[in-house]
Amino acid sequence: GENVEQHPSTLSVQEGDSAVIKCTYSDSASNYFPWYKQELGKGPQLIIDIRSNVGEKKDQRIAVTLNKTAKHFSLHITETQPEDSAVYFCAAWGGYQKVTFGTGTKLQVIP
Amino acid sequence: GAVVSQHPSWVICKSGTSVKIECRSLDFQATTMFWYRQFPKQSLMLMATSNEGSKATYEQGVEKDKFLINHASLTLSTLTVTSAHPEDSSFYICSARGLGGAYEQYFGPGTRLTVT
Repeated sequence: GENVEQHPSTLSVQEGDSAVIKCTYSDSASNYFPWYKQELGKGPQLIIDIRSNVGEKKDQRIAVTLNKTAKHFSLHITETQPEDSAVYFCAAWGGYQKVTFGTGTKLQVIP
Repeated sequence: GAVVSQHPSWVICKSGTSVKIECRSLDFQATTMFWYRQFPKQSLMLMATSNEGSKATYEQGVEKDKFLINHASLTLSTLTVTSAHPEDSSFYICSARGLGGAYEQYFGPGTRLTVT
């Protein structure tokens, strides 16, 4: 089955700096890669996603890049703000329409 | 749009009792609903996938007789934890995928279950 690794597990950045979270996946048939933000005690919220036929997607301060050859994708947050502090999960939809989540990254933005 | 609600948001029950958690898609019809379990500081683990009107598909290692899932309508799925034990204490999250939705799933706010 699919295996998704996510790094780092924790990340602290100064407000205004950029944050990058990376994920690798194992199933070459995976074709959809969403990123979720989860605040304490709440369900995950989709913040950005990318399909396998696209290399990069941007939405304001958030961007995702995908390298299908290397089987990795990354989340980039620029001009970080304290409200960006949360746990971020990457995910990959595999060949059997099953989603596998990464292990999560706790992002702390220091004011 | 694409709002999913869960009820209750938290519940405390005694060991041996059963608890029902509801998941509703409020503004769209959900052909598929997913149930996840999340332990503190861990990732989401898919428990089962349910399609409206058919039996749920459980992931390996998930006891279908213990975690009963019903998806009777396009806007409601329920998870019943039967004969709950303290080890069933966890954060349960549902998500829903709409008609025509290939991948996008929308998550509910989660239900915190504590079994004493």
